[in-house]
Amino acid sequence: EPEVTQTPSHQVTQMGQEVILRCVPISNHLYFYWYRQILGQKVEFLVSFYNNEISEKSEIFDDQFSVERPDGSNFTLKIRSTKLEDSAMYFCASSEGTGTRSEKLFFGSGTQLSVL
Amino acid sequence: DAKTTQPNSMESNEEEPVHLPCNHSTISGTDYIHWYRQLPSQGPEYVIHGLTSNVNNRMASLAIAEDRKSSTLILHRATLRDAAVYYCILRDYSNTGKLIFGQGTTLQVKP
Repeated sequence: EPEVTQTPSHQVTQMGQEVILRCVPISNHLYFYWYRQILGQKVEFLVSFYNNEISEKSEIFDDQFSVERPDGSNFTLKIRSTKLEDSAMYFCASSEGTGTRSEKLFFGSGTQLSVL
Repeated sequence: DAKTTQPNSMESNEEEPVHLPCNHSTISGTDYIHWYRQLPSQGPEYVIHGLTSNVNNRMASLAIAEDRKSSTLILHRATLRDAAVYYCILRDYSNTGKLIFGQGTTLQVKP
């Protein structure tokens, strides 16, 4: 079964450093998403991406965050200057992009980001 | 997105059926009811969805009340691998397709 893959599984960085989290969505999917989950809290929506541009973003997704689809397969989340509170599990997801209410999202296993 | 209410936690014994309830009294006529689950240290995964009729798939069954103000996810024989957080989510029409997760129900399965 096709799956969303994320790399790395763990990332440790120093506060103020830039990090790039990488995702390979399912190949025929058109919508891409990033979510995050701080330890012990709920899964939070960050951003959705369609047709090479951001479709929607949450209040969390401020100017330090950016997303990119640099080629036909990868989807990346960049955090420009990491803060301690950015420590979380980051999930990438993709969906077919039908825009219907029955559409399913497929999630990767996540990247655990630790900011020291 | 319309709000759902789920119990914070439930327990079940292995190989017994589990009924996970969800209340969604403000559901609109066109909202789909989706269930996802999140196994420990994993991303959420799709379980099942429905609109009005009860639905079955290889993972679970979804029973939807006639007035659609509540639904129940049914795991017919719980296994230890079913221990997870289960999320009930209403899906309205949105061009972006995003899902909004609540706190969900943490299901503990005892051997």
